[in-house]
Amino acid sequence: DQQVKQNSPSLSVQEGRISILNCDYTNSMFDYFLWYKKYPAEGPTFLISISSIKDKNEDGRFTVFLNKSAKHLSLHIVPSQPGDSAVYFCAARTSNQAGTALIFGKGTTLSVSS
Amino acid sequence: DVKVTQSSRYLVKRTGEKVFLECVQDMDHENMFWYRQDPGLGLRLIYFSYDVKMKEKGDIPEGYSVSREKKERFSLILESASTNQTSMYLCASRVAGNQPQHFGDGTRLSIL
Repeated sequence: DQQVKQNSPSLSVQEGRISILNCDYTNSMFDYFLWYKKYPAEGPTFLISISSIKDKNEDGRFTVFLNKSAKHLSLHIVPSQPGDSAVYFCAARTSNQAGTALIFGKGTTLSVSS
Repeated sequence: DVKVTQSSRYLVKRTGEKVFLECVQDMDHENMFWYRQDPGLGLRLIYFSYDVKMKEKGDIPEGYSVSREKKERFSLILESASTNQTSMYLCASRVAGNQPQHFGDGTRLSIL
């Protein structure tokens, strides 16, 4: 059973517009959430995280929103740039259990056209 | 800057061979992880280690084993390689606590 779900395999956006990537989770014990970006033939790179005590975290063009009651988080990229074209993975873990690993979604491929 | 180094970017092996994938991190991280990435399946956890000589099974440990004799090194072993183990393998490490995992560049393994 998938605990972290990214229901949109792909998203296409024009340069300068907002990109919104969505992620749902089922495990109510998750309390730490992250977004990673991955280019082909490279490892994922960390983008931004949020803990469950917050509902928003912002870093430059990237903002993550967390809705705990809906078990939903989203990543907003504003403005989108062609270099943002990549696969985006949502991940989650339970921080109060020692040694737990991140659980990843299947990823959303973002294409930003100029 | 955290550096996670995987020994090979590309590797071709034959079915039945014993295959070793090596991962080294230079930041004294306690936790290390092995994932595989397949199209449409995302990143799936194979094994992880939260300290030296400690290991935990992930979601798909069958056909794999691991070794963590030193803190900086985490090895993934394919005991008898099979074609369904052709994949991109990703190693990651993390300091204990609520910190992001840092990934290596991956090893593209092909089993013929």
